[in-house]
Order: sequence, then structure tokens, then C-alpha cells
Amino acid sequence: AQSVAQPEDQVNVAEGNPLTVKCTYSVSGNPYLFWYVQYPNRGLQFLLKYITGDNLVKGSYGFEAEFNKSQTSFHLKKPSALVSDSALYFCAVRDIKAGTALIFGKGTTLSVSS
Amino acid sequence: DSGVTQTPKHLITATGQRVTLRCSPRSGDLSVYWYQQSLDQGLQFLIQYYNGEERAKGNILERFSAQQFPDLHSELNLSSLELGDSALYFCASSVATTGGPYEQYFGPGTRLTVT
Repeated sequence: AQSVAQPEDQVNVAEGNPLTVKCTYSVSGNPYLFWYVQYPNRGLQFLLKYITGDNLVKGSYGFEAEFNKSQTSFHLKKPSALVSDSALYFCAVRDIKAGTALIFGKGTTLSVSS
Repeated sequence: DSGVTQTPKHLITATGQRVTLRCSPRSGDLSVYWYQQSLDQGLQFLIQYYNGEERAKGNILERFSAQQFPDLHSELNLSSLELGDSALYFCASSVATTGGPYEQYFGPGTRLTVT
């Protein structure tokens, strides 16, 4: 069965420091991976996606993600965190058994302190 | 603003009742998805429509149904509501259903509270 796992419920980082939000996946075949962010009382916003090719994917708001096939990981990163980055982050994989629907991880709350 | 609209924002109703949630996709998007977000189940895919036709089903209960109309807006119907149906219901849209993968754009959600 396909799945994504986000091993950390919460990540705390100081403003200006680099941040990493972890995601591992389990899929059969080539994975199509996504990161979304959810601010309080808002819908999910698309950050970036990995299809194929370059293992480092750049996305919105200065975020990037590193795809690692051998470790089946797709970690979200940002070189310098902002307080405004504090939100709930979701990793997702395309569900090949359900058209183009997404299977989401349980989410990681990122808290950036000033 | 994603361009996906959902109404109503909030809905409070009693057990056993029926409600309808509405979604308008981004201009040009043919594919509509419905997701349920709850504390215990997380974000779960319910159902997908593409250009008026059902394309995929996820963990959707038999009490729930959906449709997509010729103008591409979609409605999610929830009936015989139970307390456990209380959740945030999201609609998302994307440009297509094959090829891609195309990112999905999410609406602000409808918060359903069943009392």
C-alpha cells in the first residue's frame, strides 16, 4: 500500500536558522511527491512537487525539497526560517490506485521562534 | 487565494440531518476532489470528478455522495449525519486527471459540526 510518513509531530526552530521537515514514502513505481502548507483556518497551499529529474526541487516562499530514492525520503528544507513560516506542513504522494488523488501524511507543525 | 471557492464556511446541524456542501473550481480546471480533514483521521480523499464524471473513490461512506455539474461546480451531499462526521471538508481542483502530476489547489474548506 502506498503511504507517506512524517515522523515528527512538531519541529521547533529559531528564526534565521535552517529548517527541515521530514517525510518518507512507500510507493510502488515512481513516486510523485508534493508538499503543502496549511495556515490556521485556511486551505492547503501548494509548495512544490517532485516528478522526476533533479533531486533538489525548488518551490514557493524559498522552500525546497530533496528527493532521495535510496532512503525513500522527500524532506522539506529552507535555509533561513521566518516566523511567518510557522504553520502545518503536509507531505503527500499521488495515489496511483485512485486517479490523481493524494495520500497525505499526518502533518508536521512547524514553529519558528523570534 | 487559490481561486477555489467553497460554501458555506461553517455549518452546524443535528444528527440524522442532510447537508450539501458546494465547491467552484478554479477557472479552467476540470477535475474536482473532495477531502475530509479530522483530528483522528487526518486528511483523507473522498471522491474525484472530472468533467462531470466520477473518476476515483476513496474512503467515502455510502451516506455521502457527490456530483459535478455542467458548469463544473461540485456538490458533496452528506446524509444521516453522525457526530463523527464533524470535520473540515475541502474541495480541490486541478487542470486534468491523466498525465501530470498536476498540483491540486484547495479551497478554504467547510467546517461541519454535527450536534
